[in-house]
Amino acid sequence: AQSVTQPDIHITVSEGASLELRCNYSYGATPYLFWYVQSPGQGLQLLLKYFSGDTLVQGIKGFEAEFKRSQSSFNLRKPSVHWSDAAEYFCAVLKAAGNKLTFGGGTRVLVKP
Amino acid sequence: ETGVTQTPRHLVMGMTNKKSLKCEQHLGHNAMYWYKQSAKKPLELMFVYNFKEQTENNSVPSRFSPECPNSSHLFLHLHTLQPEDSALYLCASSPSQEGNTIYFGEGSWLTVV
Repeated sequence: AQSVTQPDIHITVSEGASLELRCNYSYGATPYLFWYVQSPGQGLQLLLKYFSGDTLVQGIKGFEAEFKRSQSSFNLRKPSVHWSDAAEYFCAVLKAAGNKLTFGGGTRVLVKP
Repeated sequence: ETGVTQTPRHLVMGMTNKKSLKCEQHLGHNAMYWYKQSAKKPLELMFVYNFKEQTENNSVPSRFSPECPNSSHLFLHLHTLQPEDSALYLCASSPSQEGNTIYFGEGSWLTVV
């Protein structure tokens, strides 16, 4: 069965500092991977996705993620965090058959002034 | 604006009430989903519809009854819920059921009293 682990439940970062959120997955086949962001009281917004090709993918809001098959990881990064990036971030892996998304537990990001 | 609209955004209901959540997507997608997000659990897939046909019921109690009259609309009928059913219910859609990006609505916050 597929699973997704986000080891960090909370991360606090200063505005302007870099951010890296970790995601590890367990999946037998080539994964389809996603990062979603959820602002307080809102739904999930797609930040970026990896299906195939270049292992470094660019997303919206200045985010990028790198797929590393050898480490079963898909970490999300942003070079300079803005206060509006305070939110909860979810990594997800897609089981193509049936289009089932399995989510990690989420990482809540707090941004200090 | 994600193209997936959910109403109502907030709902408070008693345990003996009957209410419904509505979801509409304007993306021309053919697959629609209900997810549940509770405070203490990861996001859980509840139901999947593909071309109006239910293709997945993730062992959801019968007090939750989905309805998909067409590919653009999805309902979740609620009856005799329990306080532990209080959660954020997220509707989502994708072009089809196989290997596609899933787009989420803003969610409906449900409180059962």
